[in-house]
Amino acid sequence: DIVMTQSPDSLAVSLGERATIDCKSSQSILYSFNSKSYLAWYQQKPGQPPKLLISWASTRESGVPDRFSGSGSGTDFTLTISSLQAEDVAVYYCQQYYSSPQTFGQGTKVEIK
Amino acid sequence: EVQLVESGGGLVQPGGSLRLSCAASGFTFSSHWMHWVRQGPGKGLQWVSHISGDGGTITYADFVEGRFTISRDNAKNTLYLQMSGLRAEDTAVYFCARGIGSGYFDPWGQGTLVTVSS
Repeated sequence: DIVMTQSPDSLAVSLGERATIDCKSSQSILYSFNSKSYLAWYQQKPGQPPKLLISWASTRESGVPDRFSGSGSGTDFTLTISSLQAEDVAVYYCQQYYSSPQTFGQGTKVEIK
Repeated sequence: EVQLVESGGGLVQPGGSLRLSCAASGFTFSSHWMHWVRQGPGKGLQWVSHISGDGGTITYADFVEGRFTISRDNAKNTLYLQMSGLRAEDTAVYFCARGIGSGYFDPWGQGTLVTVSS
């Protein structure tokens, strides 16, 4: 199975400041035939199910604020919140869908400093 | 509006059985792979099983070890997870999720809590 490792486990950021979450896969999740990395990012607020933010490592889903962006390729990926808002307090998960079983990172808790 | 609503969770003794259901609406159910993903108390997300749109392809996580059975009724737009031989470590919120493309999930249901305890 592909192991997904996120860092840090938690971070506290001031309102309006940048938050950066890293995600590393134990093997490349880039398919050369389409040059796509099979990585998604989810946001989970307390008491709610996860919500898809980004697919294909960098494609923001409809309705997701543009302060959220994804980058990276191969084995190293980053989710960036450019200007943290109060409503962004949540746990964020990366997930690979390159191969079955789909696997998730352990989650990163984002809080307000 | 695409919607997934789980039901069937509850308290069950170790070794017991439970059947979860996930009612889907707002999309062509039979066209999508469907998944079960669980989240233990205070823990992360763990994929459990998936089933293809026609029900012909099914896969389970290794930890299922033959104890769970996923199925679907496309006429009723409903996904199921029959669980038996339940263990304390199966205690979790079980989410159903629609599969998109090669295997990411959108949306997710609200989840149903399964508690395995004597």
